[in-house]
Amino acid sequence: EIVLTQSPGTLSVSPGERATLSCRASQRVSSGYLAWYQQKPGQPPRLLIYGAVSRATGFPDRFSGSGSGTDFTLTISRLEPEDSAVYYCQQYGSSITFGQGTRLEIK
Amino acid sequence: QVQLVQSGAEVQKPGASMKVSCKASGYTLTGHYMHWVRQAPGQGLEWMGQINPKTGGVKYAQKFEGRVTMTRDTSINTAYMELSRLTSDDTAVYFCARVPHLSGSGSYFFDYWGQGTPVTVSS
Repeated sequence: EIVLTQSPGTLSVSPGERATLSCRASQRVSSGYLAWYQQKPGQPPRLLIYGAVSRATGFPDRFSGSGSGTDFTLTISRLEPEDSAVYYCQQYGSSITFGQGTRLEIK
Repeated sequence: QVQLVQSGAEVQKPGASMKVSCKASGYTLTGHYMHWVRQAPGQGLEWMGQINPKTGGVKYAQKFEGRVTMTRDTSINTAYMELSRLTSDDTAVYFCARVPHLSGSGSYFFDYWGQGTPVTVSS
């Protein structure tokens, strides 16, 4: 099973700044089969990034994904208050596993 | 538009079973793999398994093998997930989640999610 480790656990950033979230896999994630989700309280997760770099419908270009192999990054620039959420990575190259999440707070 | 509407909250006793439904609208159930994911209170996401609604073929996470059963009724565009021998550790919100297609192994990202069904296991 591929274990995904997300860091940091919690990130507190000011509006207008940039947030960088990391997702590290215990084994290579084949074909960049990595997704990111945004989850706000009381809501289901919402697809944000798939294929490591492709942005899902409805998200602005302030959100971007990068990485390959075992190291992946979600970058959110020009942070806005509504970006406060928990962000999860998910690999789908070998069955399915999720990271434990990063809580992003906009202070 | 695509929607996945799940059944309502449940309270179950230890040792009992639960069954959650997920009704799809805006698309045909048999055109996409359906997965189930759960989230314990304050915790992360845990993949439980998947069903190919066209064939009924299933794949379960090893942790749930022997306790989970995923089925579907194509006549009403609905998928089901049943979990037996419940313990307090099964207290969680259960989500159904759709994959964008029906090709390959079924392991993919999830483009639509149900609203979640809270299940509480308590004596």
